[in-house]
Amino acid sequence: DVQLMQSGGDLVQPGGSLRLSCAVSGFTLNDHHMDWVRQAPGKGLEWVGRSRHRVTSYSTEYAASVKGRFTISRDESENSLYLQMNSLKIEDTAVYFCARYIDSGFNDKWGQGTLVTVSS
Amino acid sequence: DTQLTQSPSFLSASVGDRVTITCRASQVITKYFAWYQQKPGRAPKLLMYGASTFQRVVPSRFSGFGSGTEFTLTISSLQPEDFATYYCQQLDTYPLTFGGGTKVEIK
Repeated sequence: DVQLMQSGGDLVQPGGSLRLSCAVSGFTLNDHHMDWVRQAPGKGLEWVGRSRHRVTSYSTEYAASVKGRFTISRDESENSLYLQMNSLKIEDTAVYFCARYIDSGFNDKWGQGTLVTVSS
Repeated sequence: DTQLTQSPSFLSASVGDRVTITCRASQVITKYFAWYQQKPGRAPKLLMYGASTFQRVVPSRFSGFGSGTEFTLTISSLQPEDFATYYCQQLDTYPLTFGGGTKVEIK
């Protein structure tokens, strides 16, 4: 059974850092692109970034709003995907989801989401 | 960036109604497009994908149509479990983008 289990959300001050984790099971992480998507309170979905699969050397893409501040990485031995968030801003407050990408062009499995609150 | 504009942003309907949601793109989408359903406090759920021929992963009352810059999602007979927010997404070009969402509420 495919599962994505997220952790790491917390309350952090502006300018602070946080690392989110997405532990996967039921599939081989490195065979898939993986996306991070966020949702600010009461708002719509916003794509944050992507880690491509092994064949494409785990290269990454980021939304302009987070580029240079956020970094996506993987640990194959832990079957986990990470989102390192630095220089956090109030507007980064959101529920963050990890999602598996299928090469036919969609995200088929999602984590349960984890809340990041940036506030002083 | 490819902007996706959904309409309406909100609709009120009754069980059994036929509803259609439209998603218009600022640039042609050639291959990768998807529709999702989201309920409060839950992760999005894939409904269907494709940019011309849609592959459905949910009941047959959901159907998708369109190509290029205009896409529609139709629910032929609204069921109680269909009251939710619906999002379109393009995965053709970076940055990936979502529509603003359409909230379907009970009349």
